[in-house]
Amino acid sequence: EAQVTQNPRYLITVTGKKLTVTCSQNMNHEYMSWYRQDPGLGLRQIYYSMNVEVTDKGDVPEGYKVSRKEKRNFPLILESPSPNQTSLYFCASSFGQGGTYEQYFGPGTRLTVT
Amino acid sequence: QKEVEQNSGPLSVPEGAIASLNCTYSDRGSQSFFWYRQYSGKSPELIMSIYSNGDKEDGRFTAQLNKASQYVSLLIRDSQPSDSATYLCAVTGFIKLIFGTGTRLQVFP
Repeated sequence: EAQVTQNPRYLITVTGKKLTVTCSQNMNHEYMSWYRQDPGLGLRQIYYSMNVEVTDKGDVPEGYKVSRKEKRNFPLILESPSPNQTSLYFCASSFGQGGTYEQYFGPGTRLTVT
Repeated sequence: QKEVEQNSGPLSVPEGAIASLNCTYSDRGSQSFFWYRQYSGKSPELIMSIYSNGDKEDGRFTAQLNKASQYVSLLIRDSQPSDSATYLCAVTGFIKLIFGTGTRLQVFP
């Protein structure tokens, strides 16, 4: 089954404790992206990657890191989480440049930072 | 001005009616247009994509695009209670997909 997976699905952590949210896709998509979704603000892009070893900032990259060492994986790293990073996070992937083609979303990770 | 604007709703329609969802965008260079459906707490699910002016139909869904007016809409015919969700409009020029904040649709029996 073609899908985007994320882990963990739910995470409660404390301020400053480093965490990683994994994202993996099995569709051989070049483009992958991370979004956060907050009430009233909609989906905002954090980082995106157009292919292996090619990453770039989205609209809200502060406090996040990413890497793309393999085509299928695109982990999101919060090195020192803060309460304002409490949010619902989605990973997405697509063929091509990402803007042109349909993006498919993972199930989401609900993160709470206390 | 927001890049992609949608009325937040809720838009309430009776079962069996046509629901009309609207979206305007600011970038005249936008090339691709998408409608996603999102149930509460779930991930966005792609339901329609449209790339050229006019209408595109898929089952009960019709997407309409007017690039001159920078306007894209989604019609849902024979609305069902299961269509109750938030509908996200997304627009792109090249690399970046920009989402509206969504319109909440409520279909009542």
